[in-house]
Amino acid sequence: GEKVEQHESTLSVREGDSAVINCTYTDTASSYFPWYKQEAGKGLHFVIDIRSNVDRKQSQRLIVLLDKKAKRFSLHITATQPEDSAIYFCAAKGYNVLYFGSGTKLTVEP
Amino acid sequence: EAAVTQSPRNKVAVTGGKVTLSCNQTNNHNNMYWYRQDTGHGLRLIHYSYGAGSTEKGDIPDGYKASRPSQENFSLILELATPSQTSVYFCASGSGGGSYEQYFGPGTRLTVL
Repeated sequence: GEKVEQHESTLSVREGDSAVINCTYTDTASSYFPWYKQEAGKGLHFVIDIRSNVDRKQSQRLIVLLDKKAKRFSLHITATQPEDSAIYFCAAKGYNVLYFGSGTKLTVEP
Repeated sequence: EAAVTQSPRNKVAVTGGKVTLSCNQTNNHNNMYWYRQDTGHGLRLIHYSYGAGSTEKGDIPDGYKASRPSQENFSLILELATPSQTSVYFCASGSGGGSYEQYFGPGTRLTVL
């Protein structure tokens, strides 16, 4: 099955800087790549996704890039704010299920 | 807004005991999922369901059973709990079809002593 590797387990940035989280996947047939955010003590919630028919998607301060050749996708958070501090999970869609990465704990320092 | 609730939120069980984790969704979603979250492993899929009466094995089903008696409810059952099953368990729902977004519950912290 699909395997998703999330490269940064922790990431610390200064408020206002950009943060980048990188993921790779193994199944060339994967076509949908969502990102989820988990705040302390809570469940995950969806933040942004990208489908394989595009290589870039932006929603406000969030940008997702997809490189199908390299089987790599990344989440860019611009102008970070303290409320961006959380654990971020990348995922790839397999057959009717999502395969998640191991999570990146992002800390935005004032 | 999508609503997925889980009960109990915290549970302490003894080794060899039976544990049932419950999940309820009011989204009228067809698909429901059970994951466990462990440091270093992220979320791993245990069981999922396409609708009432259906259960499917995920990546790590050993030691777990699932039950989907209705559209709204999906349970995870540990017949003989072991300390290795100490974890945080998340339930999620999704509409299926062309939409792949999942809506997660708040999680259940299970400790098996």
